[in-house]
Amino acid sequence: GAVVSQHPSRVICKSGTSVKIECRSLDFQATTMFWYRQFPKKSLMLMATSNEGSKATYEQGVEKDKFLINHASLTLSTLTVTSAHPEDSSFYICSAPAEGTLQYFGPGTRLLVL
Amino acid sequence: GESVGLHLPTLSVQEGDNSIINCAYSNSASDYFIWYKQESGKGPQFIIDIRSNMDKRQGQRVTVLLNKTVKHLSLQIAATQPGDSAVYFCAATRGGKIIFGKGTRLHILP
Repeated sequence: GAVVSQHPSRVICKSGTSVKIECRSLDFQATTMFWYRQFPKKSLMLMATSNEGSKATYEQGVEKDKFLINHASLTLSTLTVTSAHPEDSSFYICSAPAEGTLQYFGPGTRLLVL
Repeated sequence: GESVGLHLPTLSVQEGDNSIINCAYSNSASDYFIWYKQESGKGPQFIIDIRSNMDKRQGQRVTVLLNKTVKHLSLQIAATQPGDSAVYFCAATRGGKIIFGKGTRLHILP
């Protein structure tokens, strides 16, 4: 099946710094990618839809200036958590649709903000 | 709006027995449903899907049942194995997006 990768797999940063997370579709092109956040023992919550060549669309309650999304190519979307704080610590997961409605998920990025 | 929820947060099953995980959804317009398996520290893994024009679909050791009348779907895992231990999410599509339910942790008893 299709493969989606994320980098880094885990990151620890100081409060106030910005962190960039990459999501790549390795063997297919994706004009759309999705970013989710998952807190411990909770479900995945959709944050935003990343659109290649245009602005991302954010779900209600998600701050677009806090979570910057750039979909610069058909295989890469990046999520930047700006001025990260401890409450931003979470598991961030991306997905990309391939073969119609079937979506493939990345392995996730564990962010810990100290 | 769409919401997808699960009846039980934890399910303990004896190894070798069948597991049944249930899910309810609220938006009758949902036409595509997916079950995912998530192991600790990993991303969700596709298990099986079903479209709203079907009421049953079978895969290898897994079966998904859809009851549109009561907006309910279930995942049945036959002969549960230790490797099935994970959190299982049902999900439904909404405008091309996938919306996840709360998740059920499947615990396998030896």
